[in-house]
Amino acid sequence: SQQGEEDPQALSIQEGENATMNCSYKTSINNLQWYRQNSGRGLVHLILIRSNEREKHSGRLRVTLDTSKKSSSLLITASRAADTASYFCASLLEGGSEKLVFGKGTKLTVNP
Amino acid sequence: DSGVTQTPKHLITATGQRVTLRCSPRSGDLSVYWYQQSLDQGLQFLIQYYNGEERAKGNILERFSAQQFPDLHSELNLSSLELGDSALYFCASSVVAGFGELFFGEGSRLTVL
Repeated sequence: SQQGEEDPQALSIQEGENATMNCSYKTSINNLQWYRQNSGRGLVHLILIRSNEREKHSGRLRVTLDTSKKSSSLLITASRAADTASYFCASLLEGGSEKLVFGKGTKLTVNP
Repeated sequence: DSGVTQTPKHLITATGQRVTLRCSPRSGDLSVYWYQQSLDQGLQFLIQYYNGEERAKGNILERFSAQQFPDLHSELNLSSLELGDSALYFCASSVVAGFGELFFGEGSRLTVL
């Protein structure tokens, strides 16, 4: 079963707008990661946030983590057509597990 | 280019057959992960190896097996193939097990007819 669930499943916006994707997970985590996948290609790591962190930035990306609500969000600011891809959250379960479990992803379309 | 190499890129075979997917991790990475991606199931964790030892197991069918060799490359063996095994199979590697980012290969697309 999936540990993380992204919301929405699909998102369509105009270039220049911000895109927000959410991820909820079920059990306590060590860290949470976001990945990007262009259609049919391998996943690319975007950002990692540890369970004791609340917010992290990387370029146009901003990730937040709320462990009390077991949720995370990924914000892409000033989106570009090249940001069109699927975005996945992945959580590393607490307790020494080495299993990185992915959600089903949010498919983002940025229209030029 | 992630540095992770997967072969073959595409594979078409018939039900009941057996195939082997191969993965070469990034230079220096000791940990290898296998994932299956299908349209209806998302990205499913199959199995993870660290320096030749199995470290974590996911929803891997008994018809599937994997191993990591002394040179750190890994192979995923799929046998008695069924139509439902058609999917993209990804290999990923990381320097350490379980804490950092994964580097994904481009995947092996398996079609079972």
